Amino acid sequence: QVQLVESGGGVVQPGRSLRLSCAASGFPFSTYGMHWVRQAPGKGLDWVAVISHDGTSKNYADSVKGRFTISRDNSKNTLYLQMNSLRPDDTAVYYCATDIYFYYWGQGTLVTVSS
Amino acid sequence: DIVVTQSPDSLAVSLGERATINCKSSQSILYSSDNKNYLGWYQQKPGQPPKLLIYWASTRASGVPDRFSGSGSGTDFTLTISSLQAEDVAVYYCQQYYNTPRAFGQGTKVEIK
Repeated sequence: QVQLVESGGGVVQPGRSLRLSCAASGFPFSTYGMHWVRQAPGKGLDWVAVISHDGTSKNYADSVKGRFTISRDNSKNTLYLQMNSLRPDDTAVYYCATDIYFYYWGQGTLVTVSS
Repeated sequence: DIVVTQSPDSLAVSLGERATINCKSSQSILYSSDNKNYLGWYQQKPGQPPKLLIYWASTRASGVPDRFSGSGSGTDFTLTISSLQAEDVAVYYCQQYYNTPRAFGQGTKVEIK
């Protein structure tokens, strides 16, 4: 069955970096665009970034542009989110999800940005 | 950027009664080349990731009970739960996937009256 498993979350100080991973299985990963979506505690869903199936096209929310980088390794069936210059308002559960409507979601990984 | 707005923010409905959630986009999300509305509906229960209920505005995802239905076109959409069950207590989100950023509505919390 389809599985998306996020990892790499944790507690990090403001200004530091973190890299999230999303390991995919059970579907042809290399043929799907992929997204990152986040959800701050008690808040709604906030789209973060998207990458095309082959990694050649990427788009970001204005709130993370220039700080976050989405990438993928199709040989490893894995999606990444490199997060730099983290801020307290980046604190959220981060989910990966499949394109184009978000049919499959991971369980999420919690990122807490705090000193 | 397309802005997606849901109403109401919350509603309480008796078991077995109808629940209706509205979603409005700031511009049309009907793509003329395929005549499809690029809108999805999601259900999120506490501590769980969102679950896709409806895509292309009116197509139920696999395994979704037929009491859930989606309608609308262009800029105005509706999610209807025809007969509310206890397990339907959740927050519901609409989302446009017409372009990026892939905006979500703010969510509608559905509770039992």
